Amino acid sequence: DVVMTQTPLSLPVSLGDQASISCRSSQSLVHSNGNTYLHWYLQKPGQSPKLLIYKVSNRFSGVPDRFSGSGSGTDFTLKISRVEAEDLGVYFCSQSTHVWTFGGGTKLEIK
Amino acid sequence: EVKLEESGGGLVQPGGSMKLSCAASGFTFSDAWMDWVRQSPEKGLEWVAEIRSKANNHATYYAESVKGRFTISRDDSKSSVYLQMNSLRAEDTGIYYCTNAMDYWGQGTSVTVSS
Repeated sequence: DVVMTQTPLSLPVSLGDQASISCRSSQSLVHSNGNTYLHWYLQKPGQSPKLLIYKVSNRFSGVPDRFSGSGSGTDFTLKISRVEAEDLGVYFCSQSTHVWTFGGGTKLEIK
Repeated sequence: EVKLEESGGGLVQPGGSMKLSCAASGFTFSDAWMDWVRQSPEKGLEWVAEIRSKANNHATYYAESVKGRFTISRDDSKSSVYLQMNSLRAEDTGIYYCTNAMDYWGQGTSVTVSS
């Protein structure tokens, strides 16, 4: 299976700061159809994961534009500009190019 | 509004069986690919099984860790998807989520395998 490695494990931030989370895959996520199926989720305490970004850089319905995704091949980044209190929780990257796998998560918390 | 509601979790002994259900609404269920994903502190998020739409012949796929023990099925007339779990092991313990191809997730149902 494809291993997804996220860094950092924990990310203390001040409200209003920019936050950046990295995700690296053990093999290329470029599908034979040319698409790259790398996605980002946010899980708030006591809730299920919610889709934020799909296929590297596409914001899901209702997701604010302060969230952005980038990357290619095996290296990907999620950026949150101007962190708000509602953004706190655990962020997961995930790939579905191969058998679906998830990263271990990055906890975004208040500094 | 998309809603996914899981049920059927609980405590079961090792070697036992359990059937999870997920009732869906707010989207065209018959066109949707449906998945089960589980989460535990030990293994994190782990994809378990997928069933595709009628247009894709209701094809099913399983994680290696559950192949031969779990069966995913669906009833499009009831907008529901199921997960039959047999020969349960301690490592199957976790919260089981129903998702429509990972776009939306239910709140999850807890499964504990323990004697």
